[in-house]
Amino acid sequence: EIVLTQSPGTLSLSPGERATLSCRASQIVSSSYLAWYQQKPGQAPRLLIYGASSRATGIPDRFSGSGSGTDFTLTISRLEPEDFAVYYCQQYGSSPQTFGQGTKVEIK
Amino acid sequence: QVQLQESGPGLVKPSETLSLTCAVSGDSISSGYYWTWIRQPAGKGLEWIGSIHHRGNTYYNPSLRSRVTFSLDTSKNQFSLQLSSVTAADTAVYYCARDPPRHFGSGSLDYWGQGTLVTVSS
Repeated sequence: EIVLTQSPGTLSLSPGERATLSCRASQIVSSSYLAWYQQKPGQAPRLLIYGASSRATGIPDRFSGSGSGTDFTLTISRLEPEDFAVYYCQQYGSSPQTFGQGTKVEIK
Repeated sequence: QVQLQESGPGLVKPSETLSLTCAVSGDSISSGYYWTWIRQPAGKGLEWIGSIHHRGNTYYNPSLRSRVTFSLDTSKNQFSLQLSSVTAADTAVYYCARDPPRHFGSGSLDYWGQGTLVTVSS
């Protein structure tokens, strides 16, 4: 199975700052089937990005995804108060689908 | 608007079978999507359990394959998960979700239920 490693584990930033989250895969993710999710406490994850760089419906354009092969990045251009949460990457190109361990974006 | 809602016992005894149902509204489970189960132990990450398609295709996480059964009830527009021989390690929030086929080009796990906590304890 493909192992996804996210870094850093925790990102401490202030509102208005730029957040850069990394996701590295143990094998090439086929067809860039890489997604990013946001999860807030007590809530289900919400799809942000799919296909490595396509925003899901209703997702603000401050969220962007990039990368291919084994290295992927989620960028939040200017953090809003509601963006402080845990972010997971997921590969869905091969079975079993797998998730990274998460990056927590916290208020500095 | 697509909505998913999990239901089932919140407490299951060790060695017994965990059974959950996900009711779908705003879409038909025969519409071509894969209907998926994911779980998350408290304070930990997400684990994909597997998925089922109305045509009978099923996909499983190999780590759980021997204990998992999926089923669909098209008359009630819902799908179900059974996990047998549970232990404390199966204690988690269980989510159901909708997963588009890859040829839809619309990504993965686009709608989720709110999740239901299942505790395995005697």
